[in-house]
Amino acid sequence: KAGVTQTPRYLIKTRGQQVTLSCSPISGHRSVSWYQQTPGQGLQFLFEYFSETQRNKGNFPGRFSGRQFSNSRSEMNVSTLELGDSALYLCASSLGTSNTGELFFGEGSRLTVL
Amino acid sequence: AQSVTQLGSHVSVSEGALVLLRCNYSSSVPPYLFWYVQYPNQGLQLLLKYTSAATLVKGINGFEAEFKKSETSFHLTKPSAHMSDAAEYFCAVSSSNFGNEKLTFGTGTRLTIIP
Repeated sequence: KAGVTQTPRYLIKTRGQQVTLSCSPISGHRSVSWYQQTPGQGLQFLFEYFSETQRNKGNFPGRFSGRQFSNSRSEMNVSTLELGDSALYLCASSLGTSNTGELFFGEGSRLTVL
Repeated sequence: AQSVTQLGSHVSVSEGALVLLRCNYSSSVPPYLFWYVQYPNQGLQLLLKYTSAATLVKGINGFEAEFKKSETSFHLTKPSAHMSDAAEYFCAVSSSNFGNEKLTFGTGTRLTIIP
């Protein structure tokens, strides 16, 4: 069974640009969550999608957005990039229909903003 | 609101020694608690989870954790450290509300194993 796949793994952007990251969940999983990981702030929850609807949202500015497609694949977009957006962005999938909160993580997309 | 506090951002132990990584939680509802491990340049892997069944939880790679409600703790232990245990460990909490897939993570503890 394939795991969570994130693309691209590494990318470099400049301030003001935008970026789109992609996440393919484990087959059968309907929930996709996104986390930002930085040395200073640790792991912070961005948002969660379930059946194409945003179900939970963290405390990030509107520049951070996401969506989920009918096949459960998800994308997140960051517009008007700032230096502070440099981070490892982790995607996690789960069934979404239980309340155990067990997530399966991808290897992440490492974004560097210059 | 939920939170977890991990005491000690860096822990070093000798190979073969006991590993103890500390986690205290705060939750207004019965919590679900997790320990995840992250190896360099990789995502997070679930070590073990507590979901209100047995208070002593056994996980992968010989790790276990004990849920102590009176102490609001969920410390991670391993009797004998191995070089391959060197990684960063994260404690996380989730509410027991149905459909809440949001995890709140601690700041992490980097474990170093001394040969």
